[in-house]
Amino acid sequence: GIQVEQSPPDLILQEGANSTLRCNFSDSVNNLQWFHQNPWGQLINLFYIPSGTKQNGRLSATTVATERYSLLYISSSQTTDSGVYFCAGGSQGNLIFGKGTKLSVKP
Amino acid sequence: GAGVSQSPSNKVTEKGKDVELRCDPISGHTALYWYRQSLGQGLEFLIYFQGNSAPDKSGLPSDRFSAERTGGSVSTLTIQRTQQEDSAVYLCASSTRTGREEQFFGPGTRLTVL
Repeated sequence: GIQVEQSPPDLILQEGANSTLRCNFSDSVNNLQWFHQNPWGQLINLFYIPSGTKQNGRLSATTVATERYSLLYISSSQTTDSGVYFCAGGSQGNLIFGKGTKLSVKP
Repeated sequence: GAGVSQSPSNKVTEKGKDVELRCDPISGHTALYWYRQSLGQGLEFLIYFQGNSAPDKSGLPSDRFSAERTGGSVSTLTIQRTQQEDSAVYLCASSTRTGREEQFFGPGTRLTVL
């Protein structure tokens, strides 16, 4: 089955810094999403991005489908950005999740 | 509109008992998915339903797990003879259809098996 690798596993930033999170897939996917899991465990949808580039405020994402990777950019990070970021993708309907990147933004 | 809802939010049970977890998808969504999140295994797929098609049960970890979806809407995940390793957060998601559509997740049910 498809394997999803996320890097880095942990990231500590000072407030205001920028960061890039990466997600690699072992095979082609036709569904790719980025999520932020808040402290209460809720998965918040950030981007649905099987290909191309999207931006939403301080967040943006790029997926290069032909090379099977996706990047999530966080600019001018805030303490409220802390939490775990997951990417997930699939080709059969269900999503395969990576292990996540745990982000801590310090004031 | 309303998002995906799940009940109960928390469930504590004794080993060997059966439990039922409920999911109400977003209105109009024909695809419904169950996942679970545990410390050791991360987020893993269990089963999904698409319209009236036979469900994809390929992620169910054992025959103690089953799910049904009545009337193309509400779904119930049943775990029989619960074991301690079943302790996890069970998440439900829905989308307009399977394969190429964004999935939206509910808040989850935290199951603790004593």
